[in-house]
Amino acid sequence: SQQGEEDPQALSIQEGENATMNCSYKTSINNLQWYRQNSGRGLVHLILIRSNEREKHSGRLRVTLDTSKKSSSLLITASRAADTASYFCATDQGDKIIFGKGTRLHILP
Amino acid sequence: DAGVIQSPRHEVTEMGQEVTLRCKPISGHDYLFWYRQTMMRGLELLIYFNNNVPIDDSGMPEDRFSAKMPNASFSTLKIQPSEPRDSAVYFCASSLSLGESNQPQHFGDGTRLSIL
Repeated sequence: SQQGEEDPQALSIQEGENATMNCSYKTSINNLQWYRQNSGRGLVHLILIRSNEREKHSGRLRVTLDTSKKSSSLLITASRAADTASYFCATDQGDKIIFGKGTRLHILP
Repeated sequence: DAGVIQSPRHEVTEMGQEVTLRCKPISGHDYLFWYRQTMMRGLELLIYFNNNVPIDDSGMPEDRFSAKMPNASFSTLKIQPSEPRDSAVYFCASSLSLGESNQPQHFGDGTRLSIL
């Protein structure tokens, strides 16, 4: 069963703008991860946030986690053409990690 | 530092044929995962291993699918006989740990499988 659901399914923005993607999940978690997938490639880990953390930064990425709402957001600031990709949240469900279906992000020149 | 290596990158075969996908995980990673990705169903976990032992194969769709990990540096996913609905991209991933100390998973670039 799907644990994480990303929103929106697709997003197109102008280069330089900020992109925000959201993830909602159903059951309690120990941590939540965000991954990026470029076309024709495997997923690449971006950032992991633990359940006792509320916000985490990595370069132009900012991730928030609200365990009371069972939701997370990924913000990419000052977007670049190279950020065009699909972005997935992944939550732990027991010993497994369950991926959402992703948000397809397209950065327009 | 070599990442997860999968082969072949592309496979096209006729239905009924046996298909074998191969994976070499990152050295030192204790966990290995096989996923299938389709537009309709997204990324599905098929099976995962810990220290070469299959832990959870509940995602394997049918008995036509089997996976082995004979040693720490090699795993195979086999489909026999293959069917057109098996067409998908199959990913292998490895990680150091799971559970509360969950470490990131490192993915290969996948095998794009087309069954005609």
